[in-house]
Amino acid sequence: DAGVTQSPTHLIKTRGQHVTLRCSPISGHKSVSWYQQVLGQGPQFIFQYYEKEERGRGNFPDRFSARQFPNYSSELNVNALLLGDSALYLCASSFPFRTGVNTEAFFGQGTRLTVV
Amino acid sequence: AQTVTQSQPEMSVQEAETVTLSCTYDTSESNYYLFWYKQPPSRQMILVIRQEAYKQQNATENRFSVNFQKAAKSFSLKISDSQLGDTAMYFCAFMKRGGGSNYKLTFGKGTLLTVNP
Repeated sequence: DAGVTQSPTHLIKTRGQHVTLRCSPISGHKSVSWYQQVLGQGPQFIFQYYEKEERGRGNFPDRFSARQFPNYSSELNVNALLLGDSALYLCASSFPFRTGVNTEAFFGQGTRLTVV
Repeated sequence: AQTVTQSQPEMSVQEAETVTLSCTYDTSESNYYLFWYKQPPSRQMILVIRQEAYKQQNATENRFSVNFQKAAKSFSLKISDSQLGDTAMYFCAFMKRGGGSNYKLTFGKGTLLTVNP
């Protein structure tokens, strides 16, 4: 089975532009989360989606948005790009997190976004 | 809010030796999970080991084991018989346990481990 796939792998954008990053979860996984990893730091939680609904949001401005599609794939959108948005964007998929049951998050290889 | 602190930015170890990576965390939650993730240069985050806070027994996975001290809020990772392939960035992470569909990992800043031949 394929793992979590993200596209594109690398991207260069200019300040002020818009970007869309894509994630396909592992087959059968219904939950997708997005993380931003700035160079030299640990990943920071941006969003979690489950069954096409936003279930959690980190401390990020409204320029960041996301959605999940009926096939459970997801897009992360960032408007009005800033130099500080340059980072590795990671997507993770998992089964629904039921009461008392933890499931492992499987990560993709990320999209390296550079804003110039 | 939870915080995770890794006080060792970089560490190195000789092949076949043992190394311990440190992690402390702060939370008011009583039920939670702790994780160690490995991120090699390929960038893919890989789960190394998981500990459930309500379990007193320390988790082990082959050469990897943890020392979980709940009262001290400490969660260190021990790697035995270090191998060259263990060279990577290691992240300690926290997740609140509970119902619903939330799945938020809070990560530390990471420790870069280099295994030398």
